[in-house]
Amino acid sequence: KNEVEQSPQNLTAQEGEFITINCSYSVGISALHWLQQHPGGGIVSLFMLSSGKKKHGRLIATINIQEKHSSLHITASHPRDSAVYICAVKETSGSRLTFGEGTQLTVNP
Amino acid sequence: DGGITQSPKYLFRKEGQNVTLSCEQNLNHDAMYWYRQDPGQGLRLIYYSQIVNDFQKGDIAEGYSVSREKKESFPLTVTSAQKNPTAFYLCASSMDRFGDTQYFGPGTRLTVL
Repeated sequence: KNEVEQSPQNLTAQEGEFITINCSYSVGISALHWLQQHPGGGIVSLFMLSSGKKKHGRLIATINIQEKHSSLHITASHPRDSAVYICAVKETSGSRLTFGEGTQLTVNP
Repeated sequence: DGGITQSPKYLFRKEGQNVTLSCEQNLNHDAMYWYRQDPGQGLRLIYYSQIVNDFQKGDIAEGYSVSREKKESFPLTVTSAQKNPTAFYLCASSMDRFGDTQYFGPGTRLTVL
């Protein structure tokens, strides 16, 4: 079993829909990251969370430390949101990141 | 502009040849990382370096080697001992060894024929 599990693996939505991607982890963490990987392969960091909720534009990330679960929400989705979204955690015991397998999001016009 | 560069974007090599992937950063970051990405799998750590002239093996270091002679450069050599070298390779850096926010390069797609 992976230490970081994401669901769903693939998600197709229509433009304008509200999207939720989930991440569950099994280890103690000091921080959780949400990353976005575009078709060309480059990765950008969206959020780093250690508690609560963060919002940036149409993106919202939440984390529940007790339940070891985080969600990434996209409101009013747009085709340009199509990408792979990756959850990664930094364990309290180390400095390295452990990555989930990613969620492929496709938003159709 | 500050950032991380990887070259080349696409690389083809014959089986049995060593190949070196370039990673350069001008962010003045202490820590640098090499990851491998395969379809359907999360990024896996190959090697990382927390400071110049020092580096540690990650989870899948066999068949790879690195050097960190300069702060801004962390080249990765894929040797002939790596059994399945075809993959997408990503380099990243972070300000310090705690790696709170990692900045990623654009990646190199290596295909071994």
